[in-house]
Amino acid sequence: SYVLTQPPSVSVAPGKTARITCGGNNIGTKSVHWYQQKPGQAPVLVIYYDSDRPSGIPERFSGSNSGNTATLTISRVEAGDEADYYCQVWDTSSDQGVFGGGTKLTVL
Amino acid sequence: QVQLRESGPGLVKPSETLSLTCTVSGGSISSDYWSWIRQPPGKGLEWIGYIYYSGSTNYNPSLQSRLSISVDTSRNQFSLRLSSVTAADTAVYYCARQKIVGAITNIFDYWGQGTLVTVSS
Repeated sequence: SYVLTQPPSVSVAPGKTARITCGGNNIGTKSVHWYQQKPGQAPVLVIYYDSDRPSGIPERFSGSNSGNTATLTISRVEAGDEADYYCQVWDTSSDQGVFGGGTKLTVL
Repeated sequence: QVQLRESGPGLVKPSETLSLTCTVSGGSISSDYWSWIRQPPGKGLEWIGYIYYSGSTNYNPSLQSRLSISVDTSRNQFSLRLSSVTAADTAVYYCARQKIVGAITNIFDYWGQGTLVTVSS
């Protein structure tokens, strides 16, 4: 089955840029989606189709995907962005959902 | 605005069957795919399986032998049954709407609030 690899944690100072990576074999050929999960809450979709934002998600959230790495970028990080972030793809060969292990974003 | 709500027992004994229901409001279940996703305490998300309103399903191979997902369109509900549970099945269970995007991929755009199911005697 397809495997997605994320760093366990990323730390960033307020106002700076956070980059969270998601690695997978030729992930650039797949569409990657990103979810934000705050403690005690359900995940929320923040980026889909590599770089599209759902309605209501700030422009500070952006995404890219190429080669073996997809990246979620959060510009001008705020304290409220502190959360766990998960990447997700749909494995079309098996018709199944796959999540990365998650990255805890800490705002210093 | 689509809303989902999970319901079911919060405590299940080892070797018994875990049963949960997801009630969909604000939209019809008869137009999309619907998934179950779980999250063990302090760990990441695991996709469990999906059902289409017509009844077709696909399951995570790691759970397939113990898993059944069904749909009741008349009640706008879908359900999960996981048999022979162990402590490893302790998790927050989420139901979610699964939306096809660009005809090639699927996203989970609406989620329930989640329900914690503990497997313990």
